[in-house]
Amino acid sequence: KNEVEQSPQNLTAQEGEFITINCSYSVGISALHWLQQHPGGGIVSLFMLSSGKKKHGRLIATINIQEKHSSLHITASHPRDSAVYICAVRFGYDGGSQGNLIFGKGTKLSVKP
Amino acid sequence: GAGVSQSPRYKVTKRGQDVALRCDPISGHVSLYWYRQALGQGPEFLTYFNYEAQQDKSGLPNDRFSAERPEGSISTLTIQRTEQRDSAMYRCASSLWSAGELFFGEGSRLTVL
Repeated sequence: KNEVEQSPQNLTAQEGEFITINCSYSVGISALHWLQQHPGGGIVSLFMLSSGKKKHGRLIATINIQEKHSSLHITASHPRDSAVYICAVRFGYDGGSQGNLIFGKGTKLSVKP
Repeated sequence: GAGVSQSPRYKVTKRGQDVALRCDPISGHVSLYWYRQALGQGPEFLTYFNYEAQQDKSGLPNDRFSAERPEGSISTLTIQRTEQRDSAMYRCASSLWSAGELFFGEGSRLTVL
C-alpha cells in the first residue's frame, strides 16, 4: 500500500523559532509536493521536489530519495506562517506513467507572537 | 483562465439526488486531479486525468462516483444518489504536465441533507 506519513500532527511554536515538519513515504516516487492550507481553506503549492533541496524565502524543503523522507523547514517563524502544511506524493509506476497523488494528513502549525 | 475554477462553490442537496461538480483547469494543463477533504481531515485522492484519459480512479469511494474530462479540459465529477457521508469539500487541481507543480481550485463544498 502506498502511504504518506507526516509528523508531527500538531506543532505550536514561538515567533522566531526554527520549525521542521517531516514526511515519509513507502515506495518510489516521481515527485513530492509541500502544500500550505490556510484557515480559509485555500491550498497553495510551496515546493515540488524530486531530489535535493529547494529554498524560497524563509522556507526550505529537502528530500532524501534513498531514505524516502522529506522535510520542510521554516526559519524565523512568524504568526502568519500558521497554517496546515501538507505533504503530497506522486508515486512512480513502471513504464514511465505517473501514479496518482497521495496526501499526508497534514501538520497543523500555530506560531504564537 | 487565470486559475483553476470550480463550480458551484456551495451545493446543498437532499439525500438521493445526483450532483455534478465542475472543474475548469488552467488552460493548457495536461493533468487534472480530483480529491475531497472532510472537515478537519487531510485531502483524499479520488481520481486523475492526463488529457481526456482517466489514469487512475482507485480513489473513487464506490460506483456512485464517476468523473469525465471528454475534451481534455473541463472535468465533471458526478455523484449519484448522494448520501450524507458524501458531504465534504471537493477540490480540483491541475498541472501543466504529469509531474508538474500543482495549482488548486477553491473547491466545491457539498452538503447532503
